Amino acid sequence: DAGVIQSPRHEVTEMGQEVTLRCKPISGHDYLFWYRQTMMRGLELLIYFNNNVPIDDSGMPEDRFSAKMPNASFSTLKIQPSEPRDSAVYFCASSFNRVLETQYFGPGTRLLVL
Amino acid sequence: AQSVTQLGSHVSVSEGALVLLRCNYSSSVPPYLFWYVQYPNQGLQLLLKYTTGATLVKGINGFEAEFKKSETSFHLTKPSAHMSDAAEYFCAVTPMNRDDKIIFGKGTRLHILP
Repeated sequence: DAGVIQSPRHEVTEMGQEVTLRCKPISGHDYLFWYRQTMMRGLELLIYFNNNVPIDDSGMPEDRFSAKMPNASFSTLKIQPSEPRDSAVYFCASSFNRVLETQYFGPGTRLLVL
Repeated sequence: AQSVTQLGSHVSVSEGALVLLRCNYSSSVPPYLFWYVQYPNQGLQLLLKYTTGATLVKGINGFEAEFKKSETSFHLTKPSAHMSDAAEYFCAVTPMNRDDKIIFGKGTRLHILP
């Protein structure tokens, strides 16, 4: 398996623009996680899905952020409108079981909002 | 609620010296504990985890960690540091036998001095 795939790897955009980050989890994994990493706040869980259903979105910063998982092999994280404080590295991870099993992380999307 | 404290955001050791990265947790129920490593420009990958059983856990690349309930600690060690160990290390906790998200510490960046 190719591992968790994220695209794009880098994104530079201007404040107010819509940003869409994409993730393809490892085939057969039924949990998918979106994280955000910044120097100030470290690694934060934004939202996670089980079998394509959002389970906990308490980490989503505000209404400008939304995430979907239309099928088992694809998820998106959308920011609309984007702001400079959204600049961060966004990671997608997947696992068989949320608690016990290993989470496999993608390479991340480095987002810069000007 | 669970929390993780990693003492020292940066740790420097000489090549060949002992590596000790400290992690203390807070959990109202017995925890599962994890160490993840992040190499530059990559996602996180699992080093080792404690679920049940033996409190001394061995992981990849010669790392190990010991769960000490009385000290609420899960420190990561390696007898002899290698240049390739330079990375950021994250301790994480989740409650045992309960469906809940993993909480990550803020990370410790390990520097290896030649």
